[in-house]
Amino acid sequence: DAGVIQSPRHEVTEMGQEVTLRCKPISGHNSLFWYRQTMMRGLELLIYFNNNVPIDDSGMPEDRFSAKMPNASFSTLKIQPSEPRDSAVYFCASRNSGSVTSTGELFFGEGSRLTVL
Amino acid sequence: SQKIEQNSEALNIQEGKTATLTCNYTNYSPAYLQWYRQDPGRGPVFLLLIRENEKEKRKERLKVTFDTTLKQSLFHITASQPADSATYLCALSGGYNKLIFGAGTRLAVHP
Repeated sequence: DAGVIQSPRHEVTEMGQEVTLRCKPISGHNSLFWYRQTMMRGLELLIYFNNNVPIDDSGMPEDRFSAKMPNASFSTLKIQPSEPRDSAVYFCASRNSGSVTSTGELFFGEGSRLTVL
Repeated sequence: SQKIEQNSEALNIQEGKTATLTCNYTNYSPAYLQWYRQDPGRGPVFLLLIRENEKEKRKERLKVTFDTTLKQSLFHITASQPADSATYLCALSGGYNKLIFGAGTRLAVHP
């Protein structure tokens, strides 16, 4: 199994530019999560999807952030326009929710490190 | 407001000793609690899960306790090794689909 795949691994952009982060969850997993990690705030939940439907986006900082999951194997997190305070590592994670044998553990990707200048 | 607290200062211990990390929470009623390990530049990796009706869980050198009265979980690594050096995160879920993380505690095991 290839695990959760995120791209790009590193992104450096200038303030005001659009940023798109991509995630491919583990095949067969029906829940997908986007987290943001900074030294100051730790690992924050931004949004999560269940069966491709956004369930809770209360962690999305503001309207500049949007996330989509057009199918079970792909999700994007978009920031438009980006600002320096968006600099962080963005993690995508997936799991198989609802199975009687599921422990609920999350499988994380390696993250996308974003730097906004 | 809901809060998960882990020691923000790094824990430094000598190889062979037992490391004990603490996770306290307020205004949560988690159905279960999980512990993850995170190495620099990597994503968190799941270690253990303990449910609200369980007092203790063990896996090899790892032990987790869960006290819903104190609203606290303790994570122990016995016979610690330098390879155990990492950041350890606790995470709570009140429901099946949402997992909220603490900020993590960095553990350094010295030879």
